[in-house]
Amino acid sequence: DTAVSQTPKYLVTQMGNDKSIKCEQNLGHDTMYWYKQDSKKFLKIMFSYNNKELIINETVPNRFSPKSPDKAHLNLHINSLELGDSAVYFCASSLGTSGSVTGELFFGEGSRLTVL
Amino acid sequence: AQSVAQPEDQVNVAEGNPLTVKCTYSVSGNPYLFWYVQYPNRGLQFLLKYITGDNLVKGSYGFEAEFNKSQTSFHLKKPSALVSDSALYFCAVRALYGNNRLAFGKGNQVVVIP
Repeated sequence: DTAVSQTPKYLVTQMGNDKSIKCEQNLGHDTMYWYKQDSKKFLKIMFSYNNKELIINETVPNRFSPKSPDKAHLNLHINSLELGDSAVYFCASSLGTSGSVTGELFFGEGSRLTVL
Repeated sequence: AQSVAQPEDQVNVAEGNPLTVKCTYSVSGNPYLFWYVQYPNRGLQFLLKYITGDNLVKGSYGFEAEFNKSQTSFHLKKPSALVSDSALYFCAVRALYGNNRLAFGKGNQVVVIP
């Protein structure tokens, strides 16, 4: 069974379009994340939700809007796509946010977004 | 804020030889330290972690890492590298308390030569 699944795996679209990436985890975790991996493989956190509450919101253009309908799902919607948005977007989940748990992350397989 | 340095871009090693991937960190207070591996076109996979206790931690696929507080290092090691170990390796650190914000290093490409 897939622990963290995200769809679509590949997304090719034109500049200016709006697109969404969906993520679901079946691990019973209460914290979910979106990371962006650029062409140099640098990983940058974008957002984190704990029990549907936004707890990390990095300096990300407001064209990016996360939405967590429940603690097992975290979707990412991107408006007015730009060339620089081309990257691989990873969803991840973990158990807890405090120091009382170890909090290793479990990642999805990634969604490769190409903006033409 | 916490940070990680992985000084080498690529590590080349012959199959069967020992493999070491270096990592140094900076964090306020005690650290949680992690290693992740990323195979081509895949997500990151958790390898091992240091929380507390024995400085030598063992993880998946025969990997181990040694926590050295005085040198603020957490180098990843494997006694005998396999071709299948060729991948991108990320070191990460978070503070013991606070939010679950992991700081990732830039990653090291490991190439195991047959």
